[in-house]
Amino acid sequence: DAKTTQPNSMESNEEEPVHLPCNHSTISGTDYIHWYRQLPSQGPEYVIHGLTSNVNNRMASLAIAEDRKSSTLILHRATLRDAAVYYCIPLNAGNMLTFGGGTRLMVKP
Amino acid sequence: EADIYQTPRYLVIGTGKKITLECSQTMGHDKMYWYQQDPGMELHLIHYSYGVNSTEKGDLSSESTVSRIRTEHFPLTLESARPSHTSQYLCASREQGRAGANVLTFGAGSRLTVL
Repeated sequence: DAKTTQPNSMESNEEEPVHLPCNHSTISGTDYIHWYRQLPSQGPEYVIHGLTSNVNNRMASLAIAEDRKSSTLILHRATLRDAAVYYCIPLNAGNMLTFGGGTRLMVKP
Repeated sequence: EADIYQTPRYLVIGTGKKITLECSQTMGHDKMYWYQQDPGMELHLIHYSYGVNSTEKGDLSSESTVSRIRTEHFPLTLESARPSHTSQYLCASREQGRAGANVLTFGAGSRLTVL
């Protein structure tokens, strides 16, 4: 499984954009880049995923580097409800799904 | 709306008791996973299954066991609970195929406290 590196924590002001980086330099060509977030006392929930092209959905945008060795999750306007731990994880058809430490996002009012 | 259900959500039990944490999904997913997570810490994969009658151990050694007799059901059992088993246990599932495009769906978790 590809290894990932994310900042342990980040801080943002409410209503401002947040860019959460992830390094996955050992990613294979068939791995999709997934992002999940875990709100306090809950199970992780899906945020977004992509393969090569940048992706947008109602929750966030995903910017993928051209060499695919890094990606950035973009929350366009952070709210207090976005405070969570954000995990990036390269996924393929294989069965072992291991998570790294993720980034704890704190949002200040 | 949750399509993967875990029970109980919270369990406080004495040392030496046998416990089973239930996980059921209604999506027909072949792949299912159990993760263990201590407060404020990483998720650790302890078991996974890629279909009926198949189970494998994850990257974190665990004294728990699992079974997969039906596609929708993936229970986790501890034969003799100990305080070191106190943790949150999260179940997840994923559809087979489509390479890495398939999304993981998690349950809400079972928080176990062993006294």
